Amino acid sequence: DQQVKQNSPSLSVQEGRISILNCDYTNSMFDYFLWYKKYPAEGPTFLISISSIKDKNEDGRFTVFLNKSAKHLSLHIVPSQPGDSAVYFCAARNMEYGNKLVFGAGTILRVKS
Amino acid sequence: NAGVTQTPKFRILKIGQSMTLQCTQDMNHNYMYWYRQDPGMGLKLIYYSVGAGITDKGEVPNGYNVSRSTTEDFPLRLELAAPSQTSVYFCASNPGQGVREPQHFGDGTRLSIL
Repeated sequence: DQQVKQNSPSLSVQEGRISILNCDYTNSMFDYFLWYKKYPAEGPTFLISISSIKDKNEDGRFTVFLNKSAKHLSLHIVPSQPGDSAVYFCAARNMEYGNKLVFGAGTILRVKS
Repeated sequence: NAGVTQTPKFRILKIGQSMTLQCTQDMNHNYMYWYRQDPGMGLKLIYYSVGAGITDKGEVPNGYNVSRSTTEDFPLRLELAAPSQTSVYFCASNPGQGVREPQHFGDGTRLSIL
C-alpha cells in the first residue's frame, strides 16, 4: 500500500527554467510533508517542508504547494540550476505515529546546461 | 560537526553470514531510525528508537535486530543474511520533539548478499 506516490520516475529541465516535481498521497491523516534531496553516494538531505494547515511554503528558489482536497503536493524550483540535479523524495508524517516518515519512490531531476 | 556517521560504507556478505551496521550521531538526538532503500523504491523504515533502551519495529523489521544502549549509537544487526536484504541502508536521527526538526541522514551502507 503506497501511501505516498511520486509517479514521475524522472524529469529533465533546461537550466534557468522551472522544475516541478509532484507527489500524491492517500492518507488524510498526514499532517506534515517534507522534500528531501539526494545526491549519489550520499544520504538524503532536508530541503523544505510544509504543514497541512498551510498551502504554500517558500525558501529561496524552492516553493512547496499543498492541495489538501486533491491530496497533492508539488515542489517548484525556479530557476533550475545544474547543481539541482539529484533524486528528490517526498515524505509525509502522521502525528499519531510520532516522527515516522513515509517516503515516495523519488524523482530523478536532471538540469541540463 | 560529523552529524550521523555510518560504517561500513560498503560490504559484501555471503548468504547466512551475520553482520552489524554501525550508526552513531553526535547531535544528542533522542530519536534514531534505520531505513532501507531498494532500487526504484522509497526509503522503508526498519526499526526506530525514541531513546536509549527503547526500540520499536517499523514497516519492514523481519530479519533485523537493533539495540540502543546509548543516546549516540544505534546499531542494526543482520543475523542470517539473505539475498532479499541486498539494499542500501540509511540511519537517521532527529531530536524527536516538535515538528520543525527534520530527520538528518547518514551517507548509507551499501550491502550486497551473494
